[in-house]
Amino acid sequence: DAKTTQPNSMESNEEEPVHLPCNHSTISGTDYIHWYRQLPSQGPEYVIHGLTSNVNNRMASLAIAEDRKSSTLILHRATLRDAAVYYCILRDGGYNNNDMRFGAGTRLTVKP
Amino acid sequence: DAGVIQSPRHEVTEMGQEVTLRCKPISGHNSLFWYRQTMMRGLELLIYFNNNVPIDDSGMPEDRFSAKMPNASFSTLKIQPSEPRDSAVYFCASSSGGVETQYFGPGTRLLVL
Repeated sequence: DAKTTQPNSMESNEEEPVHLPCNHSTISGTDYIHWYRQLPSQGPEYVIHGLTSNVNNRMASLAIAEDRKSSTLILHRATLRDAAVYYCILRDGGYNNNDMRFGAGTRLTVKP
Repeated sequence: DAGVIQSPRHEVTEMGQEVTLRCKPISGHNSLFWYRQTMMRGLELLIYFNNNVPIDDSGMPEDRFSAKMPNASFSTLKIQPSEPRDSAVYFCASSSGGVETQYFGPGTRLLVL
């Protein structure tokens, strides 16, 4: 499986933008880039995903490098509720391949 | 929809006892996943089902662990006999297949004494 590399931890101030990086240099053409986050004492929850183009939703934006070897999750205005572990995951869009493997993720701390 | 439902939410048992964790996926979802989370190993995929059929159980630690999905609305993960190293949070997730979003339950926190 293609692997991702993320910083172990990051800090942000409340109401400021946060850019969470992810490197995936061995990504294949059929791999989707997914982001999930896990709030304290909860199960992971979906944030956003993309294949080639940048994506926006109500939670965040996903910026994908032109060569697709890296991506950045952007939280436009961090709140205290955004403090969580963020996971960047590659998922093969091939048939019958719907498992998902989590790495260590990035622990985001948001300071008031 | 109530989301993925797991029971019990907390379980404390003694070494050697049988433990059964339960999961009800979101209605209409045809894929179900069992994960285990510990501080040391993070989130690990144990097994997943498509249309009630186990597809990949390579993450199941050993023969003490077994999982079943008798129908589309219910799955169990059983540990027999349990050991202290099985202490972890066990999550169940479901999806509509492929690379569709996985929806996680609240987890079962298991402590084996």
